[in-house]
Amino acid sequence: AQSVTQLDSQVPVFEEAPVELRCNYSSSVSVYLFWYVQYPNQGLQLLLKYLSGSTLVKGINGFEAEFNKSQTSFHLRKPSVHISDTAEYFCAVSDPGGGADGLTFGKGTHLIIQP
Amino acid sequence: GAVVSQHPSWVICKSGTSVKIECRSLDFQATTMFWYRQFPKQSLMLMATSNEGSKATYEQGVEKDKFLINHASLTLSTLTVTSAHPEDSSFYICSASPGGFVFNYGYTFGSGTRLTVV
Repeated sequence: AQSVTQLDSQVPVFEEAPVELRCNYSSSVSVYLFWYVQYPNQGLQLLLKYLSGSTLVKGINGFEAEFNKSQTSFHLRKPSVHISDTAEYFCAVSDPGGGADGLTFGKGTHLIIQP
Repeated sequence: GAVVSQHPSWVICKSGTSVKIECRSLDFQATTMFWYRQFPKQSLMLMATSNEGSKATYEQGVEKDKFLINHASLTLSTLTVTSAHPEDSSFYICSASPGGFVFNYGYTFGSGTRLTVV
């Protein structure tokens, strides 16, 4: 069984400051890792994903994440946040079963950007 | 590419009635679609995996007679909440992927349906 832990339920950050949203996972098999963003009353938008290869993954809107196998982590970072980044962020894992399995989500981190 | 359309975006129904939610893949064929439920300020929980042409696979604790899933074509899956009660009020989101999804699009999500049962 897989599980995802997002250590922070809420992260307040000042505008233009850097931010890191933490994500740790546990799995007995190799996994695919994802970060999604959700704006109020909307679905999820994929920010980035790690499948294999380079452990540093760059996504949309200036976000990036680094896969650390030894620490089973996949933390999301952005060097300078904007008010528009205020949203809920979800880390998720998938068994690399070729699309046959759903995602296991963390509980989410609410990123609050303060002016 | 890889757009998933979900309809309706919100619905209010009376207790005891049934509600159908549609999930369509607009520009790709999806042999597998997923249905999630999200309670306010909480994460998404996988309810069931919908497979085209076969029965859906439900997660433990999800009542298959309450949440009927039909995946009649490669572009459409429907979730019907039968005999809805106030405790079924939630945000329902579908997800789909094209073949070889992971290497291009990941899982694509619909915009969600806010169900309120009164």
